[in-house]
Amino acid sequence: RKEVEQDPGPFNVPEGATVAFNCTYSNSASQSFFWYRQDCRKEPKLLMSVYSSGNEDGRFTAQLNRASQYISLLIRDSKLSDSATYLCVVTFSGNTGKLIFGQGTTLQVKP
Amino acid sequence: DTAVSQTPKYLVTQMGNDKSIKCEQNLGHDTMYWYKQDSKKFLKIMFSYNNKELIINETVPNRFSPKSPDKAHLNLHINSLELGDSAVYFCASSGGQGDYGYTFGSGTRLTVV
Repeated sequence: RKEVEQDPGPFNVPEGATVAFNCTYSNSASQSFFWYRQDCRKEPKLLMSVYSSGNEDGRFTAQLNRASQYISLLIRDSKLSDSATYLCVVTFSGNTGKLIFGQGTTLQVKP
Repeated sequence: DTAVSQTPKYLVTQMGNDKSIKCEQNLGHDTMYWYKQDSKKFLKIMFSYNNKELIINETVPNRFSPKSPDKAHLNLHINSLELGDSAVYFCASSGGQGDYGYTFGSGTRLTVV
């Protein structure tokens, strides 16, 4: 079983739509959680950290459910510029900063 | 003023050759990493150095040898290249263990023919 699992998609949505991505992780000792964004042929960039209490950054909302080992990302009012691959990332204590990436979920926002 | 720069951006080479990829960061970070992204898009860590000391070495073939002459540089040398080594290799840096404020380089697309 992969350490971090995501539905690779692609998710094709119209502009203005709300879209949600999910991610599950297998290691209950996982400590920190992130969503990264990767544009085609570019490096990954941190989108937001994910906290147990849930957190929001503009149109983006991230949620963490430790009991179910589940992370989500909600994007409201999708823009064309949101088209990218969204990577779910976890770390766990004592791993000296290693990031464990999911395969990524591809989002294509269409006009 | 690039924070993490890696060269070359593209590398096409024949099987059996030896090649190096260079990485430099000007962020003053203590920790540097090499990640590999394969054709299925999975990003996996290969190595990590903290202040020139190797701290992570994930089951990578010993044809891959990282070298960190100082904490601002982490190079990757690959011997006897194989077709399966074709991938995008990303260098990254962070403030140190427990600091997940990563900055990635723009990647080196290696193609072995």
